[in-house]
Amino acid sequence: DQQVKQNSPSLSVQEGRISILNCDYTNSMFDYFLWYKKYPAEGPTFLISISSIKDKNEDGRFTVFLNKSAKHLSLHIVPSQPGDSAVYFCAGRPTGNQFYFGTGTSLTVIP
Amino acid sequence: ETGVTQSPTHLIKTRGQQVTLRCSSQSGHNTVSWYQQALGQGPQFIFQYYREEENGRGNFPPRFSGLQFPNYSSELNVNALELDDSALYLCASSLAARQETQYFGPGTRLLVL
Repeated sequence: DQQVKQNSPSLSVQEGRISILNCDYTNSMFDYFLWYKKYPAEGPTFLISISSIKDKNEDGRFTVFLNKSAKHLSLHIVPSQPGDSAVYFCAGRPTGNQFYFGTGTSLTVIP
Repeated sequence: ETGVTQSPTHLIKTRGQQVTLRCSSQSGHNTVSWYQQALGQGPQFIFQYYREEENGRGNFPPRFSGLQFPNYSSELNVNALELDDSALYLCASSLAARQETQYFGPGTRLLVL
């Protein structure tokens, strides 16, 4: 049962442009969402989070938007840099301590 | 500040064998979670340990078991290995009070033949 879905396995963006990564979820009980970035041969690195009581959270070049009615969140990276090339996972948590991860989107930023 | 470390980095086992994977949590973190990441999938939650007690479990059979030690390091044990157990096993540590933010280790790549 895939409760978090990332329907785009890959995304290519020109350096300096905006990258938009999307994530859909099915569980309306999720109260917290996170985005992780993963480089090859490394563990996922925490990027940004958002509570379900908010609809936007911003941290530097990274902004996460949450649309609870649509059960959709997105990560915006502006401007995109070559070092942002990685696999991005979104994750959601219902009340409790178990996070459900999506299958990831591989972002390539072209110099 | 030392990050999360895992050992070994790679492991090859045969079906039916048992395996133990190890994780040292980040300094000051008392909560460890284990995840299984199969090829092309996202990490799947196995279980979490907080102060040496299991504190939540995902949809994994009892042959997946764990331990947490007084220094908060942790082990994941898998008995009666199956081919489908081949995956990257990740551990993540966190402060229980801020467990939204987890810090992951690099993982152990297990291959079951």
